[in-house]
Amino acid sequence: DQQVKQNSPSLSVQEGRISILNCDYTNSMFDYFLWYKKYPAEGPTFLISISSIKDKNEDGRFTVFLNKSAKHLSLHIVPSQPGDSAVYFCAAAGGTSYGKLTFGQGTILTVHP
Amino acid sequence: SQTIHQWPATLVQPVGSPLSLECTVEGTSNPNLYWYRQAAGRGLQLLFYSVGIGQISSEVPQNLSASRPQDRQFILSSKKLLLSDSGFYLCAWSGEKQGAGYEQYFGPGTRLTVT
Repeated sequence: DQQVKQNSPSLSVQEGRISILNCDYTNSMFDYFLWYKKYPAEGPTFLISISSIKDKNEDGRFTVFLNKSAKHLSLHIVPSQPGDSAVYFCAAAGGTSYGKLTFGQGTILTVHP
Repeated sequence: SQTIHQWPATLVQPVGSPLSLECTVEGTSNPNLYWYRQAAGRGLQLLFYSVGIGQISSEVPQNLSASRPQDRQFILSSKKLLLSDSGFYLCAWSGEKQGAGYEQYFGPGTRLTVT
């Protein structure tokens, strides 16, 4: 049972445009959500997080939106840069998970110059 | 600042051989520690987590084991490797002891190929 899903395996965007990465979850006990960026052969890097008491969190070019009723979150990157090309994972935690994160399968973002 | 180390970076081992991967964290005390595996083209699967010395919880039945002999040291082991153990192994730490949903910080990973 995949509790966190990233239904788009890949996304291609032109430099300077907006990148929107989506994530859905099924476990209503999740109350904290994170996005990670991963380059090949490296560990994931934490990008941004959001608590369920908020519906938006912004950090520079990165904004995460949370729609609790739809059990959906998204990461917006504006403007997109070629260096943003990587795999993006969303993750969720809450309830009895005690700090454990449940990851989605990842979305490969390619930003073309 | 906190730093997490993993070694080796890459490893090629024959089927049936033992395995020992090590992870250490600097700059923090009493962290939660985690071992993940990323199989080719797939997401991150949590294998083990530890909230303290000698305290190990296993998430999935498998051919691997974990140990935490010191506060900031986490070891992933196997007595006999299988082909299916190949993958990218990641160690992570977090600083929260209660509640859920706190950020985890990952090491550089170990690429294991079992031949």
